[in-house]
Amino acid sequence: GEDVEQSLFLSVREGDSSVINCTYTDSSSTYLYWYKQEPGAGLQLLTYIFSNMDMKQDQRLTVLLNKKDKHLSLRIADTQTGDSAIYFCADMNRDDKIIFGKGTRLHILP
Amino acid sequence: NAGVTQTPKFRVLKTGQSMTLLCAQDMNHEYMYWYRQDPGMGLRLIHYSVGEGTTAKGEVPDGYNVSRLKKQNFLLGLESAAPSQTSVYFCASSLAGQPQHFGDGTRLSIL
Repeated sequence: GEDVEQSLFLSVREGDSSVINCTYTDSSSTYLYWYKQEPGAGLQLLTYIFSNMDMKQDQRLTVLLNKKDKHLSLRIADTQTGDSAIYFCADMNRDDKIIFGKGTRLHILP
Repeated sequence: NAGVTQTPKFRVLKTGQSMTLLCAQDMNHEYMYWYRQDPGMGLRLIHYSVGEGTTAKGEVPDGYNVSRLKKQNFLLGLESAAPSQTSVYFCASSLAGQPQHFGDGTRLSIL
């Protein structure tokens, strides 16, 4: 079946860039999403990219999509302590079915 | 802006007890979902609904029932709670083809 994979942990120094990677298997993706989950809270939509786009930039966030390799990345520039959270990659297909990855926990080092 | 509201936020049950989790959304969304989140497992879809009066099974539906009698509400029921159902439960809603909006979760412990 369809799957979304991402690494479970990432540690980054404050002020550096964070890059969270995700791979997916679905060939009929329409949208790919990044959600952020802070401790004790629900998932908050961070950004998304339409499947026919290569890149989307939104302030400190840059999403890159390599459709050929089915690889999605989220780059957070100038990482701050408030960026510490779990980041979920998610893939929506033409049937509106969404598959979530298991989440990447981003830890910020001082 | 309420968005998606889940009640209760916390609950402790004894094995065999029943309870209902309530999800309410005020965004006129057609689609609603119930997920559970467990360490190392990510989000797993329990049941979902594509409209008032309709429900469908997700990835892990056993031990749960749902009802969508009104468009704005989606209820998740546990008829006979088991320790394996200890989890954090999230409700979400969306328009067709649009991102899901999540509630803040219900933390449920079954003793």
